[in-house]
Amino acid sequence: RKEVEQDPGPFNVPEGATVAFNCTYSNSASQSFFWYRQDCRKEPKLLMSVYSSGNEDGRFTAQLNRASQYISLLIRDSKLSDSATYLCVVNKAGGTSYGKLTFGQGTILTVHP
Amino acid sequence: DGGITQSPKYLFRKEGQNVTLSCEQNLNHDAMYWYRQDPGQGLRLIYYSQIVNDFQKGDIAEGYSVSREKKESFPLTVTSAQKNPTAFYLCASSSLTGLYTEAFFGQGTRLTVV
Repeated sequence: RKEVEQDPGPFNVPEGATVAFNCTYSNSASQSFFWYRQDCRKEPKLLMSVYSSGNEDGRFTAQLNRASQYISLLIRDSKLSDSATYLCVVNKAGGTSYGKLTFGQGTILTVHP
Repeated sequence: DGGITQSPKYLFRKEGQNVTLSCEQNLNHDAMYWYRQDPGQGLRLIYYSQIVNDFQKGDIAEGYSVSREKKESFPLTVTSAQKNPTAFYLCASSSLTGLYTEAFFGQGTRLTVV
């Protein structure tokens, strides 16, 4: 089983749609969780961190379920500019723990007019 | 400005040659990472380092070597033993303690074997 698994998609949605991505992780010692966005031929950039209580940033909502070991990303009112690959990232680091940063394989999102 | 810098942006290598990719950060991060990305694929971990003079193999370390002589620098050598080196190589760094352990990436190096 891979350490971090995502549905690769692709997801093709119209503008204005709501889309959700899920990601599962296998290491229960994982401490920190993130969603990154990667545009074509560019480096990944942090979209948002995922906190235990869940967090929201504008149209984006991230949730963490430690018991089931998955995180999710919800995008509301999709824009054309949201088209990208979304990467789930898990880090064992945090507090005083050394860790290893592991990426999922990414989920491709295409938003069309 | 604080950040992470990779060089060169594009690199061409002849078969049988070793090449070294540079990665420097001035974010005072303890951890540094090297990833490889192939077209349409996710990021695969090559090597990572949590402290100076120490590093661990990732999932695809064969044919690669690294060093961590300084906190700021984590160069990656792609050796002739790496059978399919053409790829997009990404370096990242992160803090290991506290709340903010997200990774910051360099702009990447595109390596092509000719």
